[in-house]
Amino acid sequence: AQTVTQSQPEMSVQEAETVTLSCTYDTSESDYYLFWYKQPPSRQMILVIRQEAYKQQNATENRFSVNFQKAAKSFSLKISDSQLGDAAMYFCAYSFTGTASKLTFGTGTRLQVTL
Amino acid sequence: DAGVIQSPRHEVTEMGQEVTLRCKPISGHDYLFWYRQTMMRGLELLIYFNNNVPIDDSGMPEDRFSAKMPNASFSTLKIQPSEPRDSAVYFCASSGRTGGPRNEQFFGPGTRLTVL
Repeated sequence: AQTVTQSQPEMSVQEAETVTLSCTYDTSESDYYLFWYKQPPSRQMILVIRQEAYKQQNATENRFSVNFQKAAKSFSLKISDSQLGDAAMYFCAYSFTGTASKLTFGTGTRLQVTL
Repeated sequence: DAGVIQSPRHEVTEMGQEVTLRCKPISGHDYLFWYRQTMMRGLELLIYFNNNVPIDDSGMPEDRFSAKMPNASFSTLKIQPSEPRDSAVYFCASSGRTGGPRNEQFFGPGTRLTVL
C-alpha cells in the first residue's frame, strides 16, 4: 500500500522569505502523480502544484516549486516570497496513474506566515 | 463551472439520528470520491464511484455508512444511526477528462458534521 509522510507538523516563515515543506512517500509503482494541496481556514482544498513521476523536470507554479527526487521518494514544496495568504495547512498527496485515481494524503503541515 | 457543490455546509445532529450529505460533481466528470477529515485520522478516502458505480468502498468505516450515486450529477453519503465519533468534515471530490489530467481531483467545500 502507498503511504505519504509529512514529518513537519508545523512550520513558520517570515513574510517575503522562502520556506520548504517536506514530504516522502512509499510506493512500488513506477508511474504516478504527486500533489500539494493547500487548505486555508475556509477548509477548501486547493490544488497548488502537481508532478508526474515520469517527468524529470521539477514542476513550478509562480512562487511554488517542487523538488522531486524519485529515487529517494521525496517530494518537497518550496514557497518563495511568502505572503500572509500562504498561511494554511499543506497536504502532500499521491495518486496512481491507473484508472483509479484515488488520493492518499499525508498528515499535513501547518504553515504560519509572520510579519 | 460552479465546481463541486456540497450541501449542507454545516450539520448538527443528535446521536442516533440519520444524516444525509449531498454532492453534485463537476459536469462531465466520471469519478466521484467521498473523503472524511478528522484530527485523529487526517484525510481518508471512504468510497469512490466511476460512471455512477461504486468501485471501492473499503474505506467505509462500518455498516452505518452508505453511499449512492443514482445519476452522474448527484451522490449521497448517509449515516444511520449517527454517533459522536462520526463528527468530521466530509469532502466530495470529482475528476475526469475535463479540467486537466484525469488524476486531478476537484474538491467541494466540505460538510462539517457535528453529532452531539
